[in-house]
Amino acid sequence: DIQMTQSPSSVSASVGDRVTITCRASQGISSWLAWYQQKPGKAPKLLIYAASSLQSGVPSRFSGSGSGTDFTLTISSLQPEDFATYYCQQANSFPPITFGQGTRLEIK
Amino acid sequence: EVQLVESGGGLVQPGGSLRLSCAASGFTFSSYDMHWVRQATGKGLEWVSAIGTAGDTYYPGSVKGRFTISRENAKNSLYLQMNSLRAGDTAVYYCARVLPYSRAFDIWGQGTMVTVSS
Repeated sequence: DIQMTQSPSSVSASVGDRVTITCRASQGISSWLAWYQQKPGKAPKLLIYAASSLQSGVPSRFSGSGSGTDFTLTISSLQPEDFATYYCQQANSFPPITFGQGTRLEIK
Repeated sequence: EVQLVESGGGLVQPGGSLRLSCAASGFTFSSYDMHWVRQATGKGLEWVSAIGTAGDTYYPGSVKGRFTISRENAKNSLYLQMNSLRAGDTAVYYCARVLPYSRAFDIWGQGTMVTVSS
């Protein structure tokens, strides 16, 4: 199975900061990479699919890049509602689908 | 409004069975691949099963042979039959719709809690 490793596991930042989260696949996954945001007690929300495509309704301060094994999610200017946990997910090698362990974004 | 609503969670003893349901509305259910994803309290997301529009099914090794995913398009419903439940199956179970051509989950239900304990 393909393993997905996110870094960092947690990050503290302030409103207005630029934040980058990294996801690394244990083998190449082309661009079959998605990013989700999850707030406590809520279901995950799709932000980015196909590594860099912004899901409808998601603010443009979110962007994704990468292909192969290394991917990034960037939030250009943090807003108060962006403090949450973020997960990457691969579906190149299906089954199974695998997720990263999550990155918790906290207020500094 | 496009919506998924899970039901059927609860407390079950180890070795027991439970059937989860997911009611879809606001879209043509039969045209979409559907999945179940679970999350233990304080943990990450774990893929549980998938069913295609043609009824093809897929499972990870951790649940294969114990869980069965199915769908009833006439009722706009997705199901997960869970047998031989273990403590490690305790989690919130989400149903999720696949965004076509992306293999990403664009619509999620609110989740239903399954607790396996004696």
